[in-house]
Amino acid sequence: EVQLQESGPGLVKPSQSLSLTCSVTGYSITSNYWGWIRKFPGNKMEWMGYISYSGSTSYNPSLKSRISITRDTSKNQFFLQLNSVTTEDTATYYCARYRVATPFDYWGQGVMVTVSS
Amino acid sequence: QITLTQQAESLWISPGERVSITCRASQSLLYTDGKHYLSWYQQRPGQTTKALIYHASVRTDGVPTRFIGSGSGTEFTLSIEHVQPEDFAIYYCLQTLKSPLTFGSGTKLEIK
Repeated sequence: EVQLQESGPGLVKPSQSLSLTCSVTGYSITSNYWGWIRKFPGNKMEWMGYISYSGSTSYNPSLKSRISITRDTSKNQFFLQLNSVTTEDTATYYCARYRVATPFDYWGQGVMVTVSS
Repeated sequence: QITLTQQAESLWISPGERVSITCRASQSLLYTDGKHYLSWYQQRPGQTTKALIYHASVRTDGVPTRFIGSGSGTEFTLSIEHVQPEDFAIYYCLQTLKSPLTFGSGTKLEIK
């Protein structure tokens, strides 16, 4: 069974970088696409971006200058880095598998990240 | 970008009733392959997000038949027949026709 698990610090200071890891088991990240989604307080959801089976990336233009998604295929993990965070980046961050036919069919549990000094 | 509007922030219903959740897109989600690129998801506390419906009306494997997706063009509906206690959750629509992918604002199903 495909399983995803997010990990990373739960508290980040403003202006610093937020770094999260998504560990995938039961499926290789060298197939399909792997994305990051966040849910803000108040329940608004935002697609942040994804990395493809080949390592190419696509990002939400609203984040394009601050976001980077990379991967380590040897560990079957992919990563999110969001730079210059503000309190508005406080959210629960999810990783998920994306397929064109069945978008976001598997999700992680999510990790809550608070941006605060 | 394509905006998805879920008008109802919350819906209060009793177990056993039927409920419909609507999602309106700012432009048609119909692609040249004849499919609508609209999906529905369920979020429950303590559970991973669950994909319910793809292409507006195709139920994901294992999803109970009481979940029904319908609609076309810009208007879509997720209906739940005979709502069960485990169905009280937040429901989101998502469009994957054009980047950036966008979600609806979510509709919370609450017990009356």
